[in-house]
Amino acid sequence: KAGVTQTPRYLIKTRGQQVTLSCSPISGHRSVSWYQQTPGQGLQFLFEYFSETQRNKGNFPGRFSGRQFSNSRSEMNVSTLELGDSALYLCASSTGTGGYNEQFFGPGTRLTVL
Amino acid sequence: AQTVTQSQPEMSVQEAETVTLSCTYDTSENNYYLFWYKQPPSRQMILVIRQEAYKQQNATENRFSVNFQKAAKSFSLKISDSQLGDTAMYFCAFMENTGNQFYFGTGTSLTVIP
Repeated sequence: KAGVTQTPRYLIKTRGQQVTLSCSPISGHRSVSWYQQTPGQGLQFLFEYFSETQRNKGNFPGRFSGRQFSNSRSEMNVSTLELGDSALYLCASSTGTGGYNEQFFGPGTRLTVL
Repeated sequence: AQTVTQSQPEMSVQEAETVTLSCTYDTSENNYYLFWYKQPPSRQMILVIRQEAYKQQNATENRFSVNFQKAAKSFSLKISDSQLGDTAMYFCAFMENTGNQFYFGTGTSLTVIP
């Protein structure tokens, strides 16, 4: 069974631009969560989608948004990029809610904002 | 709010020796899960071990075991017979029983010395 895939793996953008990242979960998984990983702030929760509905959102500005499609693939969008948005963005998928459902992480998208 | 604290930013251990990574957490929840995730350099995050809070028995996975002290809100990871492949960043994480959001610690960078 294929693992969680994220595209692109690397991305370079300039301030003010917008970016869209994609996450394809493991087949059969309906929950997708997104995390931002930076050296200064560590791993921070962005949002979670389940069956195309956003169920939970972290403490990030409205420039960060996401969506999930009927095939469970998810995208996150960051508008008006700032230097501080440079980070590794990870997604994780699971079959459902709760800690008994193991979450599997993708390799991440490394975003650099210049 | 839940918080997870890892007080050891960096650790090293000789190959074949045993090392213990510390983690404390704070929560008012009674039912939850605790995790240790491993993130090797430039590779994706994988689950090392998981503990359900209502289970008193400490979880064990081959060379990895935990010491879960619920009253003290402590969750340490012991790695026995350390191998070079254990070199990685290790994150302690908390998840509510019915949630799908991880609260991560800041990580411990472990280096196994040959």
